[in-house]
Amino acid sequence: QSALTQPASVSGSPGQSITISCTGSTNDVGGFNYVSWYQQHPGRAPKLILYDVSNRPSGISDRFSGSKSGNTASLTISGLQAEDEADYFCGSYTRIFTLDVVFGGGTRLTVL
Amino acid sequence: QVTLKESGPVLVKPTETLTLTCTVSGFSLSNPRMGVSWIRQPPGKALEWLTHIFPNDEKSYSTSLRSRLTISGDTSNSQVVLTMTNMDPVDTATYYCARIPAGAPVRHFDHWARGTLVTDSS
Repeated sequence: QSALTQPASVSGSPGQSITISCTGSTNDVGGFNYVSWYQQHPGRAPKLILYDVSNRPSGISDRFSGSKSGNTASLTISGLQAEDEADYFCGSYTRIFTLDVVFGGGTRLTVL
Repeated sequence: QVTLKESGPVLVKPTETLTLTCTVSGFSLSNPRMGVSWIRQPPGKALEWLTHIFPNDEKSYSTSLRSRLTISGDTSNSQVVLTMTNMDPVDTATYYCARIPAGAPVRHFDHWARGTLVTDSS
């Protein structure tokens, strides 16, 4: 069982918007603005798409956006494209001294 | 261009020690804000953070695996080495090394290696 909770799957049609949630606690998501999101295509390494809740690394499309409310962070992908079909993981700094970073279980995005 | 590349065995027998090496380029392991983490992912499962190291030799380990893990850095060769003792079939996973770009606390990982699938060979 992962420390952060994500839906197992979401889907959307090309051009639509989807949102993936990532729920933690006050010890991680809710306590710090250190949430990150990673995109992982099958057989590939994860790729950072958002950090510090809503910041995009250079080269990441502005179709990817992030937000946070309380203990839940969200990734929104607008204008869905076929290439967005992938697994998405959230991560967060945690002050629980068993781990420095915790991840969500991952969400499989299907573009219909 | 920042790159990281793992090397090491793909098959490990139970009770053996796994040693993986991460060789980096495009940045210096001497940069005080740059760290390297090891993260693993069992087939079809979530990512699991294992350990990290910074140039000042600050290290941190997952508490559940602390007794089995050792991370070390070789700045001159741009390498970070992970050892995991007493391997078990449940340790079958893809092991990634990843760069920490912004110092401590560890907030995110901006570059990842391709990953090495380590499998139980029993």
